[in-house]
Order: sequence, then structure tokens, then C-alpha cells
Amino acid sequence: GAVVSQHPSRVICKSGTSVKIECRSLDFQATTMFWYRQFPKQSLMLMATSNEGSKATYEQGVEKDKFLINHASLTLSTLTVTSAHPEDSSFYICSSPGQGSGYTFGSGTRLTVV
Amino acid sequence: DAKTTQPPSMDCAEGRAANLPCNHSTISGNEYVYWYRQIHSQGPQYIIHGLKNNETNEMASLIITEDRKSSTLILPHATLRDTAVYYCIVRGNTNAGKSTFGDGTTLTVKP
Repeated sequence: GAVVSQHPSRVICKSGTSVKIECRSLDFQATTMFWYRQFPKQSLMLMATSNEGSKATYEQGVEKDKFLINHASLTLSTLTVTSAHPEDSSFYICSSPGQGSGYTFGSGTRLTVV
Repeated sequence: DAKTTQPPSMDCAEGRAANLPCNHSTISGNEYVYWYRQIHSQGPQYIIHGLKNNETNEMASLIITEDRKSSTLILPHATLRDTAVYYCIVRGNTNAGKSTFGDGTTLTVKP
């Protein structure tokens, strides 16, 4: 089945630095990638939708200048958290329609900003 | 996308069937019911989906009521590894459709 490889799985960064999260589709072309954020004991919240070769669409309340999304190829989408602060600490997950039934999710990235 | 309502938590004995309900009373005619589950600190995993007919695969069965306003996910023989948060999502069946997650049901399978 369709696989989305997400890296890194865990990252700790200092406040004020930037962190890049990558999601790669391994056996299919990901024309669309959804990016979610999940705080402890909460559900997944959609942050943005990226389409290959075009600008990402952000959900209301998500700062596009803080969460930079690049989807330059059909197999790679990246999310960069810029000038990270402790309140950005969260579990970030990508997802793509993949092939066939259901959406395929990455394994998630646990970001801790200290 | 239509909203869904699920009980916040359920327990199930190991080896027994787990029946997880979902209400989606505002579902529209072209929207499918999808079920995913999320084991702690992992990305969600697709389980099953359906439009109006009951569906079964190697993981679970999906029973959708005739009026399509509710559905039940059935794990026929729950194991400890089925302990997870189960999400019921309703959306159109296009690859452009985003999935909106509700709060889900935390299923705890007990020995």
C-alpha cells in the first residue's frame, strides 16, 4: 500500500530556531499533502493543505509565515516551523490521499521547543 | 464536511467484539464514512470506509444504517493491540477532500 515516510520522528530545538519536517511518498505521487498538528490528549487539527507546484492553503488561525510549507515535487512536502517557541511544541502529522481507499498518514514528528 | 459524534471512551474485554458507534446525522448523499485509528504517538491508520452498504475487510466490519445517519465499527475479536483512539470521519470521496477529525473514541481493550 501507499506509504508516507515522515522525518524526523522526534526533534528538540531551542526557542527561536527553525525546524524542518519532511514527508515523502515512497510508492506513489503525492499531489496533495495535508498537515496536521496534535496537542496532548486532543484530536488532530488541520493546519494546511499543500498541492504540488502551488501555494499551500492554510486553515483559519494558522500563520502562514510561521509554518512554511513547500511542495516542490510529487514525492516531497516539507513543513518548516520558523522561529519556534515552546507553544509550538506539538505532534505534527502529514497525510496524503495516496492510492485507493483512505488517506495515508506519516508516523508523526514530536517537536519539543525548549 | 459533516460533523460526527462519538462516545469519548469505551472498554472491551480481550477476545470480545468491540462495537464503536458514530453519529453523522448531517451526512450528505455523496459523503462516505471513514474510520481511522491512532495508537499512542503514531500517525492515524486507515481501517475501513463505506457509502451505504455494509463493508468488511481483514481489520473490521462497518455497519451503516439505512438512513446513513449513523454507523458502527466492529472489531470482531479485540486484542490488546487494538487499544487506540478511533476516529469516524465523513467526507466526499475525492482526493482533494480534507479530513476533519473529531474527538474520537478511546477504546481500551482489557485482558
